[in-house]
Amino acid sequence: QKEVEQDPGPLSVPEGAIVSLNCTYSNSAFQYFMWYRQYSRKGPELLMYTYSSGNKEDGRFTAQVDKSSKYISLFIRDSQPSDSATYLCAMRVNFGNEKLTFGTGTRLTIIP
Amino acid sequence: ETGVTQSPTHLIKTRGQQVTLRCSSQSGHNTVSWYQQALGQGPQFIFQYYREEENGRGNFPPRFSGLQFPNYSSELNVNALELDDSALYLCASSQGTSGSTDTQYFGPGTRLTVL
Repeated sequence: QKEVEQDPGPLSVPEGAIVSLNCTYSNSAFQYFMWYRQYSRKGPELLMYTYSSGNKEDGRFTAQVDKSSKYISLFIRDSQPSDSATYLCAMRVNFGNEKLTFGTGTRLTIIP
Repeated sequence: ETGVTQSPTHLIKTRGQQVTLRCSSQSGHNTVSWYQQALGQGPQFIFQYYREEENGRGNFPPRFSGLQFPNYSSELNVNALELDDSALYLCASSQGTSGSTDTQYFGPGTRLTVL
């Protein structure tokens, strides 16, 4: 069993829709949770960074962490064609230099 | 842009050869991490260097090795290339402090194809 599970998709939604992306994990020691966006032929770009349980909002993006269920989500409101990319969840145990453990990524396409 | 650069962009090698990939971190970032991303997969941690010393290693064989230099550049070396080594290789730099908000910034990657 992988430490981090993520539905690879692909996921296609119409422009303006709300998108929900999810990851589950098995290692209860994970404390720091991130979402990266990766465009084709590019490196991952950090979108959201959260610590412990709760919600964090940044513009059209909301990251949600439920440590009791070992479940994290990223919501994208008013989705745009420019949001079309692969979204990777990542997590780590400690702060600082700790390695990141990634999900497989979900490929998202926003249809104009 | 993250300020992290990698070279070359693409590389084609044959099985059994050796390859060196290069990364230039953001100025002031003392930590560099290397990841392997196979097609359709998330990045997998190879190893990390902090101030020129290896500071953690993932589940990769010894033929994967690295170096970090004082000028914020680093290298990933892979010997005896195998077909399964074909992937996107990413480096990520971070400040290397103990702050809880320390994050890793990724370069664009080097796509390696082994024939």
